[in-house]
Amino acid sequence: GAVVSQHPSWVICKSGTSVKIECRSLDFQATTMFWYRQFPKQSLMLMATSNEGSKATYEQGVEKDKFLINHASLTLSTLTVTSAHPEDSSFYICSARERQGITTYGYTFGSGTRLTVV
Amino acid sequence: SQQGEEDPQALSIQEGENATMNCSYKTSINNLQWYRQNSGRGLVHLILIRSNEREKHSGRLRVTLDTSKKSSSLLITASRAADTASYFCATGENSGNTPLVFGKGTRLSVIA
Repeated sequence: GAVVSQHPSWVICKSGTSVKIECRSLDFQATTMFWYRQFPKQSLMLMATSNEGSKATYEQGVEKDKFLINHASLTLSTLTVTSAHPEDSSFYICSARERQGITTYGYTFGSGTRLTVV
Repeated sequence: SQQGEEDPQALSIQEGENATMNCSYKTSINNLQWYRQNSGRGLVHLILIRSNEREKHSGRLRVTLDTSKKSSSLLITASRAADTASYFCATGENSGNTPLVFGKGTRLSVIA
């Protein structure tokens, strides 16, 4: 079935540095990628929607200059957390939709990235 | 934004008992899905029920959907300690650019 590979699975960085998270669709073309953030004991909150070759659409309250999303190809989308601060520590997870209609499930999720900013 | 509430927010049961979790949503949907998430891990897709379906089974899982009440339930029968996790419902549409919208989730603890 459809697989989305997300890396890294966890990262610890110093406050003020930037971190890049990658999501690759391995066996299908993902025209649309969704990025979610999940704080401890909370649900997944949509951060942004990115379409290949165009600018991402950010949800209200999500700073587009802080969370840079690039979706330059049909198989790769990246989220860069710029000038990270401890409050950015969270679980980030991507989700892709397959180009040719929907898969059996409709959405394929990456395995998530645990970001800790110290 | 989130669709609505999951009920209960936390549930603790003994192994072998059944666990029922409920989910409500606000808008019209094409389908509703249930996911499991172990602590600190990714999502595991459990089951999808389409808006024209009322009930669906998969192993020890039984999902119902009542579109008139905009609600769904997930029943796990004969629970096991390994079922301990958070369970989320998520609603989706067929159009390509709409994301899954997640409920707040139920944290299930199954005590051996």
